[in-house]
Amino acid sequence: AQKITQTQPGMFVQEKEAVTLDCTYDTSDPSYGLFWYKQPSSGEMIFLIYQGSYDQQNATEGRYSLNFQKARKSANLVISASQLGDSAMYFCAMSDYYSSASKIIFGSGTRLSIRP
Amino acid sequence: DVKVTQSSRYLVKRTGEKVFLECVQDMDHENMFWYRQDPGLGLRLIYFSYDVKMKEKGDIPEGYSVSREKKERFSLILESASTNQTSMYLCASSFRDRVVGYTFGSGTRLTVV
Repeated sequence: AQKITQTQPGMFVQEKEAVTLDCTYDTSDPSYGLFWYKQPSSGEMIFLIYQGSYDQQNATEGRYSLNFQKARKSANLVISASQLGDSAMYFCAMSDYYSSASKIIFGSGTRLSIRP
Repeated sequence: DVKVTQSSRYLVKRTGEKVFLECVQDMDHENMFWYRQDPGLGLRLIYFSYDVKMKEKGDIPEGYSVSREKKERFSLILESASTNQTSMYLCASSFRDRVVGYTFGSGTRLTVV
């Protein structure tokens, strides 16, 4: 069975600093996708970044990058130059590709708070 | 603007009531999903559907059922609501083989008293 583990329930970071949110995963499938979502206090789920298991390079989207270490089964999110608006819950997630309906499972989340 | 719409933002129901949570999407997505979100547990998959009248159990289906009579609508049913079903419920949809592009609704916060 697939599993996502986020070991940091909460983090405080000073504005403009870089921050790394940890995520490890477990799967026996060779094909999978890894995601990060942001959930601000308004409750909406915002897709941030995606990494496929066969992608050779780490995914980047603006200030977000995914540090993908396949052998260690980790998919950490790095936010460069943090901003006050980055304060939110962050969820790591993974998908399985080859099933009747590709679905996503989520980790328990990390609450990130940015200090001014 | 593409949308997943959940019929209620907040609901308060009594123990033992039958509760219907409705989700409608306008993107012609084949897949639809119901999750519940609890502090410290993240989002857990209850049920999903990959076609009309098709359903599959997720990780925590006990106490829930679903209905998908039309492609755009996916209903979550609590046959006899209990206090431990107090939670935030999130609906999502996607194209069949495209998990990137998962679209979420804004959630329904259900309180069972």
